[in-house]
Amino acid sequence: GNSVTQMEGPVTLSEEAFLTINCTYTATGYPSLFWYVQYPGEGLQLLLKATKADDKGSNKGFEATYRKETTSFHLEKGSVQVSDSAVYFCALIENTGNQFYFGTGTSLTVIP
Amino acid sequence: DAGITQSPRYKITETGRQVTLMCHQTWSHSYMFWYRQDLGHGLRLIYYSAAADITDKGEVPDGYVVSRSKTENFPLTLESATRSQTSVYFCASSELAGGPPDTQYFGPGTRLTVL
Repeated sequence: GNSVTQMEGPVTLSEEAFLTINCTYTATGYPSLFWYVQYPGEGLQLLLKATKADDKGSNKGFEATYRKETTSFHLEKGSVQVSDSAVYFCALIENTGNQFYFGTGTSLTVIP
Repeated sequence: DAGITQSPRYKITETGRQVTLMCHQTWSHSYMFWYRQDLGHGLRLIYYSAAADITDKGEVPDGYVVSRSKTENFPLTLESATRSQTSVYFCASSELAGGPPDTQYFGPGTRLTVL
């Protein structure tokens, strides 16, 4: 079956620190991979996505590379800001599917 | 306003009552989804719909009913609310870009408390 596993949180970092949030997946076919962000009191918003192996998604300084050999899609940012404090969700959908599968989310707090 | 809206944003009800959560999108997206978000579980899919009059169960459909008579609306009904259905509910929509659904767009959520 399909599933997404994210690193457990919460994660607390100082401003300008390097961020990595690990995400690995299990899929029976060829999925597209997504990172969504949820700010307090809001719905999820797409942060970035990648639709095939070796693709790199990027947005707002965040990056993630679709690694088929390790079934991973780790989220990285070189220098986090206080405004990046949010919950981050990794997700996938099979290219022949119609359901999205989400990880449990990783809460990030950035302190000044 | 364009986008995806949910109503009500907050709801308190009692065990055994029927509750309907509304979802409306203005993009004419083919797909619509209902999720619940609970601590430790992330988002779990309740029901989804590929088009008007087509719905299908997700991971946790028990106790919920959906309908989709119009493309833009996808109400979720709790027929007899239970305390275990206390949660935050998110509606989402997605376009069918010649294949599986692409990026999902989420509503702001409805926080439901069942006493």
